[in-house]
Amino acid sequence: QKEVEQNSGPLSVPEGAIASLNCTYSDRGSQSFFWYRQYSGKSPELIMFIYSNGDKEDGRFTAQLNKASQYVSLLIRDSQPSDSATYLCAVNSGGSNYKLTFGKGTLLTVNP
Amino acid sequence: DAGVIQSPRHEVTEMGQEVTLRCKPISGHNSLFWYRQTMMRGLELLIYFNNNVPIDDSGMPEDRFSAKMPNASFSTLKIQPSEPRDSAVYFCASSLGQGIKETQYFGPGTRLLVL
Repeated sequence: QKEVEQNSGPLSVPEGAIASLNCTYSDRGSQSFFWYRQYSGKSPELIMFIYSNGDKEDGRFTAQLNKASQYVSLLIRDSQPSDSATYLCAVNSGGSNYKLTFGKGTLLTVNP
Repeated sequence: DAGVIQSPRHEVTEMGQEVTLRCKPISGHNSLFWYRQTMMRGLELLIYFNNNVPIDDSGMPEDRFSAKMPNASFSTLKIQPSEPRDSAVYFCASSLGQGIKETQYFGPGTRLLVL
């Protein structure tokens, strides 16, 4: 069973702080990694993807990938109350070119 | 664009009844995914269609579940007979191409409660 593990949280940070969300995966064949944001009662929305080791920055978001450690993270700088949501980590399962395996998500709360 | 459209948005039914969930993907997208989300199991892929053809149905829980895609703009997921453990949010998603690097766009979901 290919697994994607995330701390369920809740992770609580003050407004303006850096939120750090972490994800580990078991399948060494995974090559593509995604972060989705899901507001309560809404559908998942892709916010970042990363395919290569290292960092990838997009605005206030930075994705970090370390394939050797099978670890991917998402940093949110200058956190805003509107960032409060569940963040889902997803990886392509078994090197599949279409199938994503999702973690159960980390609930982030940004306090004003 | 209207995005992925799902209906109904909410469904409450009794055990043993047939349930049909509907999805209209984004126009021009040729990949369609059905997912199920529960607190216990998270978000799971049920079935994947490419160009209206089922490619991977390994996630379909059992024979009570079936899915069809008769044309590029419509898909159904049917549960017959339904059971309380089928209660979940069912999402349909579509993407432009087949590859993993194509962004999947999710519909609003159908919240199913089986009593």
